[in-house]
Amino acid sequence: KQEVTQIPAALSVPEGENLVLNCSFTDSAIYNLQWFRQDPGKGLTSLLLIQSSQREQTSGRLNASLDKSSGRSTLYIAASQPGDSATYLCAVRPGTYKYIFGTGTRLKVLA
Amino acid sequence: EAGVVQSPRYKIIEKKQPVAFWCNPISGHNTLYWYLQNLGQGPELLIRYENEEAVDDSQLPKDRFSAERLKGVDSTLKIQPAELGDSAVYLCASSLAGEGTEQFFGPGTRLTVL
Repeated sequence: KQEVTQIPAALSVPEGENLVLNCSFTDSAIYNLQWFRQDPGKGLTSLLLIQSSQREQTSGRLNASLDKSSGRSTLYIAASQPGDSATYLCAVRPGTYKYIFGTGTRLKVLA
Repeated sequence: EAGVVQSPRYKIIEKKQPVAFWCNPISGHNTLYWYLQNLGQGPELLIRYENEEAVDDSQLPKDRFSAERLKGVDSTLKIQPAELGDSAVYLCASSLAGEGTEQFFGPGTRLTVL
């Protein structure tokens, strides 16, 4: 059974810091992996989608990497801003349409 | 372009009452998903539709939960009767057909059962 773990569960950093969020999954047979952002009381906003054949994806200050063989993905946020404060969720698609989500990392960027 | 629309955004009911949530997916998206998100947890899939057909409802508690997507566009998720443990956020998502396509989420309906 696929399990997704995100570390740390919560993170507080000063503005301007570069940071890394970690996601690990137990079964490397995935179709793709997606990083989402969730603001309090709101739905999920897709940040980056990495197909199983890809190693990384970049969008602005965000970079996500995928190492299927080791069951790991990282989300790198450069020059963090207070507006980046949110919960970040990692989700893997284990060869079907269903996503398996991690429990998220709650990020707070202090001004 | 409009995103996934859900209503209501918030709902408070007493236990044993029925409740219904509505979702309108992004235009042209054949696949529609309902997820349940408990506090502090990631979303968990309840049901997936391909057009009007429920192709994966293995996680839907069928004794009290039901869903429909009669015309293959918008969808309704119903709980009858609601229990205290049903308090959660119910998220709807949609995507184009085909594996590997990106899912787009609505804002969710936050249900509180008293």
